[in-house]
Amino acid sequence: GQNIDQPTEMTATEGAIVQINCTYQTSGFNGLFWYQQHAGEAPTFLSYNVLDGLEEKGRFSSFLSRSKGYSYLLLKELQMKDSASYLCAAMDSNYQLIWGAGTKLIIKP
Amino acid sequence: TAGITQAPTSQILAAGRSMTLRCTQDMRHNAMYWYRQDLGLGLRLIHYSNTAGTTGKGEVPDGYSVSRANTDDFPLTLASAVPSQTSVYFCASSSEGGNYEQFFGPGTRLTVL
Repeated sequence: GQNIDQPTEMTATEGAIVQINCTYQTSGFNGLFWYQQHAGEAPTFLSYNVLDGLEEKGRFSSFLSRSKGYSYLLLKELQMKDSASYLCAAMDSNYQLIWGAGTKLIIKP
Repeated sequence: TAGITQAPTSQILAAGRSMTLRCTQDMRHNAMYWYRQDLGLGLRLIHYSNTAGTTGKGEVPDGYSVSRANTDDFPLTLASAVPSQTSVYFCASSSEGGNYEQFFGPGTRLTVL
């Protein structure tokens, strides 16, 4: 079956760095997406990886290892506004997104 | 720019009643999607459309139907609602079907009693 695993909840301190891990098993693979979702709002796109390696975009970076079925989202210089759920989603061979349940990130002052 | 809009924002519906959730985008995107989001579960795809005039079934299509008469609109219909359809429903669009960024509407919170 197809499956995405990510931690349910993480806590970090303002100004620090946090890494949110995601492992995936899909029928075929056409890329890995990360989305941010604030409580009561819609998901918004953060990053897309299809090749192995690190993609950096400002304070956020995303890493992919296709051989390990593994990705992480790295958030630097955490701000209170980064408190949100972070959704990992893998695209399968039919170009359908398989979503994880999300990681709720709590930022403490 | 409105982007993608959904209506209603929320709704309480009696079991057995029918309802249509509306979704409109103004980005001229070819692909559109309907998801449901339930606590503790990931977003699950209900139906999708890669272009006007075509639709396809996602992971959880039972009890739902869609149509795509034009590029902008993608309504989702519940023919006879059941309590298990209580959820938050998100409509999304992307420029093409495939590995493109999806843009999400604000969601419709539906409660079926």
